[in-house]
Amino acid sequence: AQSVTQLGSHVSVSEGALVLLRCNYSSSVPPYLFWYVQYPNQGLQLLLKYTTGATLVKGINGFEAEFKKSETSFHLTKPSAHMSDAAEYFCAVSLKAAGNKLTFGGGTRVLVKP
Amino acid sequence: EAQVTQNPRYLITVTGKKLTVTCSQNMNHEYMSWYRQDPGLGLRQIYYSMNVEVTDKGDVPEGYKVSRKEKRNFPLILESPSPNQTSLYFCASSSYLAGGSYEQYFGPGTRLTVT
Repeated sequence: AQSVTQLGSHVSVSEGALVLLRCNYSSSVPPYLFWYVQYPNQGLQLLLKYTTGATLVKGINGFEAEFKKSETSFHLTKPSAHMSDAAEYFCAVSLKAAGNKLTFGGGTRVLVKP
Repeated sequence: EAQVTQNPRYLITVTGKKLTVTCSQNMNHEYMSWYRQDPGLGLRQIYYSMNVEVTDKGDVPEGYKVSRKEKRNFPLILESPSPNQTSLYFCASSSYLAGGSYEQYFGPGTRLTVT
C-alpha cells in the first residue's frame, strides 16, 4: 500500500520569502501526485497535479511542484509567500490500479508572518 | 455553478443516535467518496462509489454505511455513532476512467461531534 509523508506539520514563513513544503511517497509504481490546499472552514481545492510528462508542474496562485522519481518526492514551492497563502496543504497520491482513491499525507499548516 | 454540497455543516449528537450526512453533486460525476479528516492523519477514505448501486469500503469503513441510489447523491450513515467518530467529514466527486488522474471536487465539510 502506498503512503505519503509530509515533513513538518507546521511551517512559518515571512511574507515575500520562499515557501517550501516537502512530500515523499512510497509506491512501487509511479503514482499520480496532487497538492490540495484547505483554507479555514472550507473544503479542499486542487493546487496542481502530476500525471505524466513534464516533471515540473505549475499550479494556481504561483505554486509549482517537481516530481523526482529517484527521490520519490513531490515538493511544493512558491518563490514569494503572500498573506493569503496561510492555509493547510495536503499532498496526495493515487495509483492507476486503485482508481480514484486518494491517499493523503498528514498535512502542513502554513503561517505567513508580515 | 459546479459544486459538491453537504448537509449539515455542523452536527453535535449523542452516542448511539443514528444520523445521516447528505452529499450531492451537480457535475454528473460517476465517482463519489467520503473522507474523514483528523489532525495529523490527513484525510482517510471511508467509502467510495464508482457508480449507482456500486459501493465499496475504503481504509476506515467501520461504523459507517453508504448508499448510492441516484448518481448525484451519496449519503453517509452512522447507525450508532461513537465518540471516536468525532471528526471533520468530506464528500468528494470526480469523473472516473481507469487511471485515477481526475481531479476530485470536495464539499465544504461536515464537522461532527459525538458526546
